[in-house]
Amino acid sequence: NAGVTQTPKFQVLKTGQSMTLQCAQDMNHNSMYWYRQDPGMGLRLIYYSASEGTTDKGEVPNGYNVSRLNKREFSLRLESAAPSQTSVYFCASSKYSYEQYFGPGTRLTVT
Amino acid sequence: EDQVTQSPEALRLQEGESSSLNCSYTVSGLRGLFWYRQDPGKGPEFLFTLYSAGEEKEKERLKATLTKKESFLHITAPKPEDSATYLCAVQDANGSSNTGKLIFGQGTTLQVKP
Repeated sequence: NAGVTQTPKFQVLKTGQSMTLQCAQDMNHNSMYWYRQDPGMGLRLIYYSASEGTTDKGEVPNGYNVSRLNKREFSLRLESAAPSQTSVYFCASSKYSYEQYFGPGTRLTVT
Repeated sequence: EDQVTQSPEALRLQEGESSSLNCSYTVSGLRGLFWYRQDPGKGPEFLFTLYSAGEEKEKERLKATLTKKESFLHITAPKPEDSATYLCAVQDANGSSNTGKLIFGQGTTLQVKP
């Protein structure tokens, strides 16, 4: 099992550009999550999908959109990137909303 | 408002010098408390889940305990490979039972010197 995979690993964008971060899990988990991690701020929830077909806002959703493509895949889209979105993004998944398992992260820089 | 505070922010130990990390939390109802380990440049790695006061979990040199207000991660005779950031997170039983939302602390960065 690969667990949770994320692509790309690194990305540099210019202000105003758009991109989609991809996440997939092969653990047959029903819930998936997107976090961002910033120095001094800890991990903050952006969006989550408690089950296939549902998505909800987390603590910091502004500037992002998500799509739960199927049970395995959950993508995060930045429509118009801003320097404030420079961060490390983590995807996670869980079964029945218990412990979450994280991917390796995407390091995004917006200039 | 749910809140998680970890202390200290950073901890330096000599190899073999045991110590404890603290996680204080405020939630209206605790569904679970989670400990993670995060190595530089990697995603958090799940360590333990604790559900009720008095519960303890162990894994190698790590032991996690839980009271009604805080959790401790005890590290016995640490080795340099235990160096990492340790994250604590809580899940509120009120409103999150179907979503799994976690509130994270800011972490304790542990350095173990040989």
